[in-house]
Amino acid sequence: GQSLEQPSEVTAVEGAIVQINCTYQTSGFYGLSWYQQHDGGAPTFLSYNALDGLEETGRFSSFLSRSDSYGYLLLQELQMKDSASYFCGGNTDKLIFGTGTRLQVFP
Amino acid sequence: NAGVTQTPKFQVLKTGQSMTLQCAQDMNHNSMYWYRQDPGMGLRLIYYSASEGTTDKGEVPNGYNVSRLNKREFSLRLESAAPSQTSVYFCASSAHRDRAYEQYFGPGTRLTVT
Repeated sequence: GQSLEQPSEVTAVEGAIVQINCTYQTSGFYGLSWYQQHDGGAPTFLSYNALDGLEETGRFSSFLSRSDSYGYLLLQELQMKDSASYFCGGNTDKLIFGTGTRLQVFP
Repeated sequence: NAGVTQTPKFQVLKTGQSMTLQCAQDMNHNSMYWYRQDPGMGLRLIYYSASEGTTDKGEVPNGYNVSRLNKREFSLRLESAAPSQTSVYFCASSAHRDRAYEQYFGPGTRLTVT
């Protein structure tokens, strides 16, 4: 089957850097996406890695290594508003989401 | 431009009742998806429609049916609701199947089955 595993929770302080990992057990994914979801809200798209390596979008960066079946989302200069759940997703003609990581940012 | 809209926002059903969740998008997207999210859990794909006229099962299709009414609308039907179907249901769309990695989500329908 297809599965993507993430740590359940990560905590950090404002201004810090945090990395959220995603490991997957499948073949056939075209790439890895990342989504953010605030409590009570809908998921919103953050980034996508179609190729191995690092993609940077402002304070957020995402990394993929296909040979290691591994990716991560890196959040820099953390702000309180970054407190949310983050999901990785592997895509074909659909998206299979990971288990999700709840990030808590403290002042 | 409303994006993806879902109705209703909240619903309470009794076991055995049926209902249809409605979803519409105004972005001229080809692909649409239905997910459920249980408390503290990830999103699980129920059904999807890669293009108008096609539907396919996702990870958890049992107990649900879908209809891709036209390019804009994709509905999800619970024929005989069960307490295990208590969840938040999200509809999403993407420009086409090759861009399934970038989906736009509706606000969700919070369903309780008693």
